[in-house]
Amino acid sequence: DAKTTQPPSMDCAEGRAANLPCNHSTISGNEYVYWYRQIHSQGPQYIIHGLKNNETNEMASLIITEDRKSSTLILPHATLRDTAVYYCIVKGTTGNQFYFGTGTSLTVIP
Amino acid sequence: NAGVTQTPKFQVLKTGQSMTLQCAQDMNHEYMSWYRQDPGMGLRLIHYSVGAGITDQGEVPNGYNVSRSTTEDFPLRLLSAAPSQTSVYFCASSYGTTRRPAPTNEKLFFGSGTQLSVL
Repeated sequence: DAKTTQPPSMDCAEGRAANLPCNHSTISGNEYVYWYRQIHSQGPQYIIHGLKNNETNEMASLIITEDRKSSTLILPHATLRDTAVYYCIVKGTTGNQFYFGTGTSLTVIP
Repeated sequence: NAGVTQTPKFQVLKTGQSMTLQCAQDMNHEYMSWYRQDPGMGLRLIHYSVGAGITDQGEVPNGYNVSRSTTEDFPLRLLSAAPSQTSVYFCASSYGTTRRPAPTNEKLFFGSGTQLSVL
C-alpha cells in the first residue's frame, strides 16, 4: 500500500473550515484514500473515502487532485468537538490492511 | 447495537504473566484485527483475521497470539507479558473480505480500547 505524508499538527478557528492535507504520491490506480479520526483516547472513527472523484458526506468533504497524488479533507465548519487526530490512509480493496501513520493533530480554537 | 466490545478496559500485569484481551462484535463482520497504540504514535497492526479459522500477522506480531474460532470473537493473548507491551490496544472489525471486495465494506469499526500496563 502507498504511504502517506501529513503535517503533524494544525490549528483552526471554531466555525471556520479546516483543510487537512495529505500527500500520497505513490498511490496506485486501484487504491482508495480513506480518512479516520481519533478523538482523545477513543477508537478511531471512519470519516470518508474516495478513489478519484470528490466526495461529500454529513461529516466532511474529500478533494482528490486529478493526478491522485494528494488529497484534502475539509471540515466545513469546525467545532471544538472536531479536535482530534486525523489519519489519511491509502489502501487497496482486497488482501490489504489499514496501516495508520501518526496523522495530523487538529486543534480547534474557540 | 453493541458494535465492537473490548474487555477489560484497564489491566495491570506483572512481567511474565499471561492474559487474554477479549474482542467481540455483533455485526457479522468477517474481518477483525488488533492494533496497539503507544504514546505519540499511530496505531500499529498486530494480527488480523479475514474469517473464522484464518489469522495472519501484521506489523508487530511478536509476543502476541490470536485465534478465530467463531465469527464474533477474536481474542488477543499475551503469553508472557513484557514492559514493552504496555500500550493501549484496539480491536477493529469490518464487513469487507476478499470474497466481497468493495471500499464501502472496508470501513473499520473500532472498540473503545484496553489500556494495559506491564510492570
